[in-house]
Amino acid sequence: EAGVTQFPSHSVIEKGQTVTLRCDPISGHDNLYWYRRVMGKEIKFLLHFVKESKQDESGMPNNRFLAERTGGTYSTLKVQPAELEDSGVYFCASSQVVWADTEAFFGQGTRLTVV
Amino acid sequence: AQSVTQLGSHVSVSEGALVLLRCNYSSSVPPYLFWYVQYPNQGLQLLLKYTSAATLVKGINGFEAEFKKSETSFHLTKPSAHMSDAAEYFCAVAGEAGTALIFGKGTTLSVSS
Repeated sequence: EAGVTQFPSHSVIEKGQTVTLRCDPISGHDNLYWYRRVMGKEIKFLLHFVKESKQDESGMPNNRFLAERTGGTYSTLKVQPAELEDSGVYFCASSQVVWADTEAFFGQGTRLTVV
Repeated sequence: AQSVTQLGSHVSVSEGALVLLRCNYSSSVPPYLFWYVQYPNQGLQLLLKYTSAATLVKGINGFEAEFKKSETSFHLTKPSAHMSDAAEYFCAVAGEAGTALIFGKGTTLSVSS
């Protein structure tokens, strides 16, 4: 069974450009999470989807970030326009059920560098 | 509010030595606690989790952690380090809503021969 897959693995873009990150969760997992790790800092929660609905987007830093999960399958996270402080590793995770004691499976992350 | 503090951003041990990675938490509700590991060029992998059952939790690869409420700690240990244990380790607590994880800053473990 495939794990959580993220595309691309690395992205280098210039300030002001747009970047779209993609996450394919484990098949059948209704819950999908986005996290971000800025260099030297902790991994921080961005948002949580249950199927195609945003359950919690309290961690989204600002309105330059737009997450979608059309059809409740894969998800995209678009940053437009990108700023230098958006650089970091973006992780996606999925889980079968929402409860806190359920294991969330993580992807390898997308390393975003904004120059 | 929930929070996690990992003491020591970098820990170095010799192969065969005890591994001790420290984690303290703050939680307004009975906590769910986790340890994740990230090997180079891989995603985060769950090592073990505490969900209010036994206070001593055994995980994969010989790791275990003990939940101590009085000390608000959830330290990760392994009796004998292997070279393959070199990785970054993250302690996390489930948020108040019970869904999103709140992570510590991570501890990089180096193992020397």
